[in-house]
Amino acid sequence: EAQVTQNPRYLITVTGKKLTVTCSQNMNHEYMSWYRQDPGLGLRQIYYSMNVEVTDKGDVPEGYKVSRKEKRNFPLILESPSPNQTSLYFCASKGGNTGELFFGEGSRLTVL
Amino acid sequence: AQSVTQLDSHVSVSEGTPVLLRCNYSSSYSPSLFWYVQHPNKGLQLLLKYTSAATLVKGINGFEAEFKKSETSFHLTKPSAHMSDAAEYFCVVTLRTGANNLFFGTGTRLTVIP
Repeated sequence: EAQVTQNPRYLITVTGKKLTVTCSQNMNHEYMSWYRQDPGLGLRQIYYSMNVEVTDKGDVPEGYKVSRKEKRNFPLILESPSPNQTSLYFCASKGGNTGELFFGEGSRLTVL
Repeated sequence: AQSVTQLDSHVSVSEGTPVLLRCNYSSSYSPSLFWYVQHPNKGLQLLLKYTSAATLVKGINGFEAEFKKSETSFHLTKPSAHMSDAAEYFCVVTLRTGANNLFFGTGTRLTVIP
């Protein structure tokens, strides 16, 4: 089954404690992306990757890092989380001729 | 410039009545257009997509949308709302694959009244 898998789905952490949200897709897609969703703001892009070892900033990259060492994985790293990073995070991959996005189930992060 | 506008942030309908969620886009090129649905505490699920084939597109759960180039619109409709349709709906525009050119609408929350 084609899917995008994120972990963890839920996480409560404290300010400054580094964390990583993993994302993996099994569709051999070149393009992957991270979004955060906040009430009233819709989905905002954090980082994206056009292919292995190619990453670039989206609209709200501050406080985040990513890496793309393998095609299937695109982890999101918060080196020193702050309360304003409390949000719902989605990973997505895109492929095929239509540009359809496939989304993970989301990771709800709370930073205290 | 490219953009997507969802004209209503919140739509409320009675069960069994028609649903209309509006989406307008601006694009210099022929776009691909999508509608996604997000149920509470869930990810985004593809409802339907337009990719330059038939202008009337049918999706899952009885939804459909019509691409109208002259009006630059891609409104989502359903003849009869069901309680399970209550969710957030996002209109998305992309220009071509292999590029970071995705544009999200801000979403429309659909409430279905019993």
